[in-house]
Amino acid sequence: EAGVAQSPRYKIIEKRQSVAFWCNPISGHATLYWYQQILGQGPKLLIQFQNNGVVDDSQLPKDRFSAERLKGVDSTLKIQPAKLEDSAVYLCASRSPGRDTTYEQYFGPGTRLTVT
Amino acid sequence: QQQVKQSPQSLIVQKGGISIINCAYENTAFDYFPWYQQFPGKGPALLIAIRPDVSEKKEGRFTISFNKSAKQFSLHIMDSQPGDSATYFCASPTMFSGGYNKLIFGAGTRLAVHP
Repeated sequence: EAGVAQSPRYKIIEKRQSVAFWCNPISGHATLYWYQQILGQGPKLLIQFQNNGVVDDSQLPKDRFSAERLKGVDSTLKIQPAKLEDSAVYLCASRSPGRDTTYEQYFGPGTRLTVT
Repeated sequence: QQQVKQSPQSLIVQKGGISIINCAYENTAFDYFPWYQQFPGKGPALLIAIRPDVSEKKEGRFTISFNKSAKQFSLHIMDSQPGDSATYFCASPTMFSGGYNKLIFGAGTRLAVHP
């Protein structure tokens, strides 16, 4: 079974530029998450999709961050414009259907973003 | 945003020793409490999880102890090996609007097992 795929793995941009990250979850996983992991901290949930609908984006800085999941499969996370404090690893995770499997999330390798 | 407090921040253990990492949570949903393991350059991976109505779960060298009244749970790694050197995260399930649950992660514990 293929894991969660993410690209690019690394990205360096200047502040005020825009950037986009891509995620392909495990086949059949209806729930998809985007997390932000700042160095030395735990993952922080940015947005959660159930199929192609958003169920939680309470921690997403909506003035600069946006995300979509077309057709309920792949997802993209965009930052525009980027700030220095956006430097972090952006992790995508997915899980199989069922409300009692919240704990069992499968993470991709992440995209390390550096904003200079 | 609810908090999950994890300690210690870092831990050094000799090979063969016992590693203990603690986690304290606030209000939570009835769902499994997991521990995740993360190696450098990789995403976190589920290590072990426990139901909140169980006091202990053991899988090989890894044991979770759960104290519901104190709102605490801990990870014990017996016979620690250099290959266990990684960052460990606890997480607490939390319910939000719509009846969905999400995980709130602790800040992580960097474990180094010396040979």
